[in-house]
Amino acid sequence: DTAVSQTPKYLVTQMGNDKSIKCEQNLGHDTMYWYKQDSKKFLKIMFSYNNKELIINETVPNRFSPKSPDKAHLNLHINSLELGDSAVYFCASSHPGTSGSSSYEQYFGPGTRLTVT
Amino acid sequence: AQSVTQPDIHITVSEGASLELRCNYSYGATPYLFWYVQSPGQGLQLLLKYFSGDTLVQGIKGFEAEFKRSQSSFNLRKPSVHWSDAAEYFCAVAFYNTDKLIFGTGTRLQVFP
Repeated sequence: DTAVSQTPKYLVTQMGNDKSIKCEQNLGHDTMYWYKQDSKKFLKIMFSYNNKELIINETVPNRFSPKSPDKAHLNLHINSLELGDSAVYFCASSHPGTSGSSSYEQYFGPGTRLTVT
Repeated sequence: AQSVTQPDIHITVSEGASLELRCNYSYGATPYLFWYVQSPGQGLQLLLKYFSGDTLVQGIKGFEAEFKRSQSSFNLRKPSVHWSDAAEYFCAVAFYNTDKLIFGTGTRLQVFP
């Protein structure tokens, strides 16, 4: 009954390859996010989608392309992987902008550790 | 620019001691405030949040935090730390009318027996 799940948990690949990370949430939330956590543990938002529509795109290289087939899924596809893409990628979901205490509260997946060699 | 500062990169405490982790934000209005915890190799778990009302909020695992508008701070406290509290702690803010969470740089908590 995992709320936000990601696959795979670990991903090791070579420079230049293309890879995808999948995210699914069963919380019924409208909005999903991708965050990148670098080697110094700094977390930064990359994208957010609301009901399959892109809302936030934070100056991320266009090698990164999120895709949301439905509001419960948000996948991240990365083309031409570079060494600097090595990081932990977190998916999250929330019900943003609604009244009440659930506004802006984000639930995170376990993360995908990407290593580019 | 909007920002979140966690001045302490690394804190070490003895088990049973009290704990306070600092968080300051820079913004013209009151944001929504959060504390998350990340155990090694794990995702982020929400400890507590502040939206409005009582400035002292209670969270899970015995944590509490106090919002002080005059100091733009939202410090996390626990009266008696347990060894299992060793983790990375992140303060985060969400500003009005945006879904974006802005995180601080984190504070790593180490607990000695």
